[in-house]
Amino acid sequence: DQQVKQNSPSLSVQEGRISILNCDYTNSMFDYFLWYKKYPAEGPTFLISISSIKDKNEDGRFTVFLNKSAKHLSLHIVPSQPGDSAVYFCAAKGAASKLTFGTGTRLQVTL
Amino acid sequence: SQTIHQWPATLVQPVGSPLSLECTVEGTSNPNLYWYRQAAGRGLQLLFYSVGIGQISSEVPQNLSASRPQDRQFILSSKKLLLSDSGFYLCAWSVPTPLGTEAFFGQGTRLTVV
Repeated sequence: DQQVKQNSPSLSVQEGRISILNCDYTNSMFDYFLWYKKYPAEGPTFLISISSIKDKNEDGRFTVFLNKSAKHLSLHIVPSQPGDSAVYFCAAKGAASKLTFGTGTRLQVTL
Repeated sequence: SQTIHQWPATLVQPVGSPLSLECTVEGTSNPNLYWYRQAAGRGLQLLFYSVGIGQISSEVPQNLSASRPQDRQFILSSKKLLLSDSGFYLCAWSVPTPLGTEAFFGQGTRLTVV
């Protein structure tokens, strides 16, 4: 039972354009959502998060949007840069601070 | 500042051999500790998490076990490895706050069972 889903396994965006990565969840008890970035053979690094009481959180080029009624969140990166090329995971926090991750979306930013 | 150490970075083990991966956290007390696995082409699967010494929750039935002998030490073990245990294993820690929690990951261990 995949409670956190990232339906797009890959995404290609031109440098300077906006990257939009999507994530859907099924568990209405999740109260905190996070995005991580991962390079090959490294651990994921935390990017940005949002509490379920908010619908938007912005940090520099990164903005996360949360639509609770649709159980959907998205990460916007603008402008996209070649260094943003990586796998992005969304995660949701449930009971006992347990984080459930999605399957990831590979972002490729092209020149 | 907090740091997390995970070793070894890579490991090649024969089928049927034992496994011990170790993770330690510095600079924090009573963290939540996690073991995740990323299989080839797949997402991060939570294997175990621990909210305190000796307290281990297993998420999926498997050939692995975890132990937390000290507050900031988390060990992933197996008595006999299977081919399907190959993957990228990640240790993580978090400290819950009223606003939420971020998990911070180690560099991972690439395990290849041959």
